[in-house]
Amino acid sequence: NAGVTQTPKFQVLKTGQSMTLQCAQDMNHEYMSWYRQDPGMGLRLIHYSVGAGITDQGEVPNGYNVSRSTTEDFPLRLLSAAPSQTSVYFCASSYPLGQGGNTGELFFGEGSRLTVL
Amino acid sequence: AQTVTQSQPEMSVQEAETVTLSCTYDTSESNYYLFWYKQPPSRQMILVIRQEAYKQQNATENRFSVNFQKAAKSFSLKISDSQLGDTAMYFCAFMKSGNQFYFGTGTSLTVIP
Repeated sequence: NAGVTQTPKFQVLKTGQSMTLQCAQDMNHEYMSWYRQDPGMGLRLIHYSVGAGITDQGEVPNGYNVSRSTTEDFPLRLLSAAPSQTSVYFCASSYPLGQGGNTGELFFGEGSRLTVL
Repeated sequence: AQTVTQSQPEMSVQEAETVTLSCTYDTSESNYYLFWYKQPPSRQMILVIRQEAYKQQNATENRFSVNFQKAAKSFSLKISDSQLGDTAMYFCAFMKSGNQFYFGTGTSLTVIP
């Protein structure tokens, strides 16, 4: 029962490098999202997707790209890493609100700690 | 825009005592959901409790209960009989239609033996 799987769990990058954080879920959730967590700022939404082929921007999308080619996968791409992107990143998924009685609660991955030097 | 405010950055409680974490939110939505998530040192985000805004009855899950005051836009979490395993960061979250979540900045709770 894997749930939401994020890889890698830790990554160190140099400024200007690019990388992809992987996220996969096996619960057939339509909704997937990426958050970043910074001290004193809670979790802030980067990008989200309501289904395969559909993505949209959240609160802090600059410097990040996403795609959703399948229901299961939702990778987050850092195009040119900057020190300001040093953070802990969480992928989360859920059923649409109301579907099958669900209340839309988010199921989170274990997080990925990214350091940009 | 929706905002979620947790005004207590840090709190502590003696083991077996009761503690209440505060959360207020601002929204013009009429139908929404509220959640408390717990993040222990392991970093995993764990759902503690949820509340549907259209329900007047406060949600309860074992030692965890909420005081939901819709008119005041307040959603506090009460932890009874605090245990060492309750030591964690607690996040209040608001969700509106479309599964749009908004999180507070968190309250770090320490349970003292």
